[in-house]
Amino acid sequence: AQTVTQSQPEMSVQEAETVTLSCTYDTSENNYYLFWYKQPPSRQMILVIRQEAYKQQNATENRFSVNFQKAAKSFSLKISDSQLGDTAMYFCAFMKHVLSRWEYGNKLVFGAGTILRVKS
Amino acid sequence: NAGVTQTPKFQVLKTGQSMTLQCAQDMNHEYMSWYRQDPGMGLRLIHYSVGAGITDQGEVPNGYNVSRSTTEDFPLRLLSAAPSQTSVYFCASSQPIPLNRTGNTEAFFGQGTRLTVV
Repeated sequence: AQTVTQSQPEMSVQEAETVTLSCTYDTSENNYYLFWYKQPPSRQMILVIRQEAYKQQNATENRFSVNFQKAAKSFSLKISDSQLGDTAMYFCAFMKHVLSRWEYGNKLVFGAGTILRVKS
Repeated sequence: NAGVTQTPKFQVLKTGQSMTLQCAQDMNHEYMSWYRQDPGMGLRLIHYSVGAGITDQGEVPNGYNVSRSTTEDFPLRLLSAAPSQTSVYFCASSQPIPLNRTGNTEAFFGQGTRLTVV
């Protein structure tokens, strides 16, 4: 079974600064996806960034980038130029890539989450 | 663009009552699932479906029932509510992950239902 660990329950950062959220995972799978989801106070789950395990290049989406270390099973999220709107709970999640059409591969395994507060 | 619609947004139940959380998606996704979110535990999978007429249990299925009679709808039933079922519930839908090595996948979530059982 896969597990996802987010060791930072809460973090804070000053507006315009950079912050890194940590995530480690445990799996015996070789092909999988990793995600960071953002959950603002509205409770909506919003996909921030996605990484496919077979891709060595780290994913980036505007101010968000990841540091994917497959051998170390680490998947950290870096937020540059932090904005007040980045204040939210952030979840790291794992999804394995299945080979069978009828196996449900879209099960997400989530970490416990990190509350990020951006201060002005 | 409706996406995934969950109702109700809030609900208070008495212990022993039953109710159904509704979930509908308009993206023609084959996969649908229900998660519950509890403090310090992230989201955990309750039940899931790979298509109409096919459902299976996730990590925490006890006390819940599901059915999938259409592609669009995936209701979650609480048979006899207990205080331990106080939580925030999310419905999600997605398409199957491509079997080749390229392509993306993403789960789309509803806005959640905050359920309190007293």
